[in-house]
Amino acid sequence: NAGVTQTPKFQVLKTGQSMTLQCAQDMNHNSMYWYRQDPGMGLRLIYYSASEGTTDKGEVPNGYNVSRLNKREFSLRLESAAPSQTSVYFCASNEDRVNTEAFFGQGTRLTVV
Amino acid sequence: LAKTTQPISMDSYEGQEVNITCSHNNIATNDYITWYQQFPSQGPRFIIQGYKTKVTNEVASLFIPADRKSSTLSLPRVSLSDTAVYYCLVGGGGGFKTIFGAGTRLFVKA
Repeated sequence: NAGVTQTPKFQVLKTGQSMTLQCAQDMNHNSMYWYRQDPGMGLRLIYYSASEGTTDKGEVPNGYNVSRLNKREFSLRLESAAPSQTSVYFCASNEDRVNTEAFFGQGTRLTVV
Repeated sequence: LAKTTQPISMDSYEGQEVNITCSHNNIATNDYITWYQQFPSQGPRFIIQGYKTKVTNEVASLFIPADRKSSTLSLPRVSLSDTAVYYCLVGGGGGFKTIFGAGTRLFVKA
């Protein structure tokens, strides 16, 4: 049982480049989330998808777009990367009831130079 | 959204019981309290969740007083492998409009 899988694990981008972070879960969860974690900080919610076909902004959505491709997959896109987006990105999923355990991926470490 | 306040860091020794307290004065009626653990270079992992009184599982206990304005995570007999950051969350159990604070860095010494 893989749980939540993120790709890639590491990425270095130049300022202005674009890329898409991929996330897939195999637990049949309805809700999926993207967070970023800066050094020594907690996690901040970028975007979430409460169910297939819906997406909403979280705390820090500027500079990002998301796509809920199907129930399993939720991607995060940086259209024009900036050094301020250097961070570790985590994808998570849980059932559609709000007070249920969330499962996190291993993270994508992104550096923008 | 209810904001949480936790100690920034704590030190302990192997075999001791560790209690981490979290304040959440603005908790809403239907909010749950959830704790996560995070090791370096890994995503957070669910530890325990509760609404009121006491909850216990194989890993930890969670104590919640009647007014629910605080909660205490209790880790019995910690080991070196319990060195991690512990997050207290109020609201959705996973991430649905839930904010992670900076957490409490627990360092367990031999």
